[in-house]
Amino acid sequence: GAVVSQHPSWVICKSGTSVKIECRSLDFQATTMFWYRQFPKQSLMLMATSNEGSKATYEQGVEKDKFLINHASLTLSTLTVTSAHPEDSSFYICSASAQGASSPLHFGNGTRLTVT
Amino acid sequence: GENVGLHLPTLSVQEGDNSIINCAYSNSASDYFIWYKQESGKGPQFIIDIRSNMDKRQGQRVTVLLNKTVKHLSLQIAATQPGDSAVYFCAENIMGQNFVFGPGTRLSVLP
Repeated sequence: GAVVSQHPSWVICKSGTSVKIECRSLDFQATTMFWYRQFPKQSLMLMATSNEGSKATYEQGVEKDKFLINHASLTLSTLTVTSAHPEDSSFYICSASAQGASSPLHFGNGTRLTVT
Repeated sequence: GENVGLHLPTLSVQEGDNSIINCAYSNSASDYFIWYKQESGKGPQFIIDIRSNMDKRQGQRVTVLLNKTVKHLSLQIAATQPGDSAVYFCAENIMGQNFVFGPGTRLSVLP
């Protein structure tokens, strides 16, 4: 149980275009999902907390107008990287908890974004 | 941005030996801890968790030890196998707030 599906697994786009990444909880409902960014050989950095039916909470230094998050249902959150640039190339991972706070986060398999 | 030249600490163990991966956590108020395993190109996978009211917890081939006095967490893997090769992250949580992840350790299993 507690499966999180992320799509696409990889994407290549040109500078200036936008890319949407989907994160779905397949067998549970998630009022809160989390988006992380991971550079090579580094740890996970929380970008934002996605809240169903309300605005996302962004971490300090993360541009909310560049990384648009929508959490329209209890099983789907999307991250849109707008006007992507090469420095946005990274591994983006979503997660959700099936049982709320202080319970394990279950992660999607990540999306490798390459901006050319 | 990306830290060029940064490399993960690496632990190399012989297949069949036991592995011990260590983590120093940052906040003495943290009350919930998780170990994750991340294989190349994949998302982190839950291994085992422990709450602050315990100092040891065992799973299948894995044991987590918590020393709150020195804010130290360790993951022991018994009879390490090639499939255990991955990067391992500890994560700490304070009263339901966001998880904070450690820097990670790469485990390399030698044949």
